[in-house]
Amino acid sequence: DTGVSQDPRHKITKRGQNVTFRCDPISEHNRLYWYRQTLGQGPEFLTYFQNEAQLEKSRLLSDRFSAERPKGSFSTLEIQRTEQGDSAMYLCASWGPRESTDTQYFGPGTRLTVL
Amino acid sequence: KQEVTQIPAALSVPEGENLVLNCSFTDSAIYNLQWFRQDPGKGLTSLLLIQSSQREQTSGRLNASLDKSSGRSTLYIAASQPGDSATYLCAVKRGAQKLVFGQGTRLTINP
Repeated sequence: DTGVSQDPRHKITKRGQNVTFRCDPISEHNRLYWYRQTLGQGPEFLTYFQNEAQLEKSRLLSDRFSAERPKGSFSTLEIQRTEQGDSAMYLCASWGPRESTDTQYFGPGTRLTVL
Repeated sequence: KQEVTQIPAALSVPEGENLVLNCSFTDSAIYNLQWFRQDPGKGLTSLLLIQSSQREQTSGRLNASLDKSSGRSTLYIAASQPGDSATYLCAVKRGAQKLVFGQGTRLTINP
């Protein structure tokens, strides 16, 4: 078990470009979460999947954002027409029913910089 | 809407001191409260999780308490060490799956 992994770790892009991030949860974890963290703030919830179903989306997730988890394993988060305000750390977390506690396990994050 | 506040935003103490970090939340109907540690540029590591029916949890030099009625939690760190330097975040979970985080306390332990 290698924990939650995210790719890429860093992404620099120009305003208006599209970017896609990937999250690989811990094996057999059926719940997957995306959070966004700006500098000096705590993470804010974006969206949550149970298996392949996207069950909740935050108002922060504008129509430029889309998340998928097509086979109930890895997930992708795409941002279209990036804006400077999208610059943040994007964190992924997962949880599975075999865990003994309710703790979500977080990945290392993808840091996005929009120039 | 649940709001979580952490005070102070930053704290600097000499090595060896005991210290307390504070977290307050506006809606007492929570499922659980967690304390996380975040090192610069890294993800979050769970330190302690307190269920709504519990009053405290301990792990090594860390002790977290929960008072739902007053909407407060504290994280007590005993005999602080330079390696404890990090940002500490508290988060509450209320029924739904998402966590609501405070803005964090940036802790510096000076050798």
